[in-house]
Amino acid sequence: DQQVKQNSPSLSVQEGRISILNCDYTNSMFDYFLWYKKYPAEGPTFLISISSIKDKNEDGRFTVFLNKSAKHLSLHIVPSQPGDSAVYFCAASANNQGGKLIFGQGTELSVKP
Amino acid sequence: GEEVAQTPKHLVRGEGQKAKLYCAPIKGHSYVFWYQQVLKNEFKFLISFQNENVFDETGMPKERFSAKCLPNSPCSLEIQATKLEDSAVYFCASSQSRQNSPLHFGNGTRLTVT
Repeated sequence: DQQVKQNSPSLSVQEGRISILNCDYTNSMFDYFLWYKKYPAEGPTFLISISSIKDKNEDGRFTVFLNKSAKHLSLHIVPSQPGDSAVYFCAASANNQGGKLIFGQGTELSVKP
Repeated sequence: GEEVAQTPKHLVRGEGQKAKLYCAPIKGHSYVFWYQQVLKNEFKFLISFQNENVFDETGMPKERFSAKCLPNSPCSLEIQATKLEDSAVYFCASSQSRQNSPLHFGNGTRLTVT
């Protein structure tokens, strides 16, 4: 039962262009959503989060959009840089689950110079 | 400290041996979480703590896995009688609060069971 899904295993983008990573969820109790970035042999690094009371949150080059009716969130990276190349995970938690995060399967982003 | 510190980085055990992994959460963080990453991109929740108390252990294979967070000591995850399928990267994370608070992860311990 995959409650958080990232259907694109990989994405390739040209440097300077926009990267859009997508994530779908099934559990309507989720109320907090996060994006993490992961390099090989390192732990996930927190990027940006959004609460279910908002539909957009922006931090520098990173913007997360939440569409609750569609149970969909996306991460936009503008402009993309080669250093953004990594695996990106979306994650979600529900207020009644004690902060436990449920992760998607990840999308490997490659930003080409 | 300012980072979650996990030791050791790598651990090799023969099947049936015991494995013990350690995690020092970020100072001031009351919540600790353990995750297992078996396949390259799948994170499985194991257990969480609020200070030294188990908060949620729904992901723990209880017959061989145990975990503790004692005051003034690193948290630990112990696997008795390891099996080949326990080979994975084990990540520890900590957070300041239980709600709407990001988890901050360590760099993991890679356990190889031979």
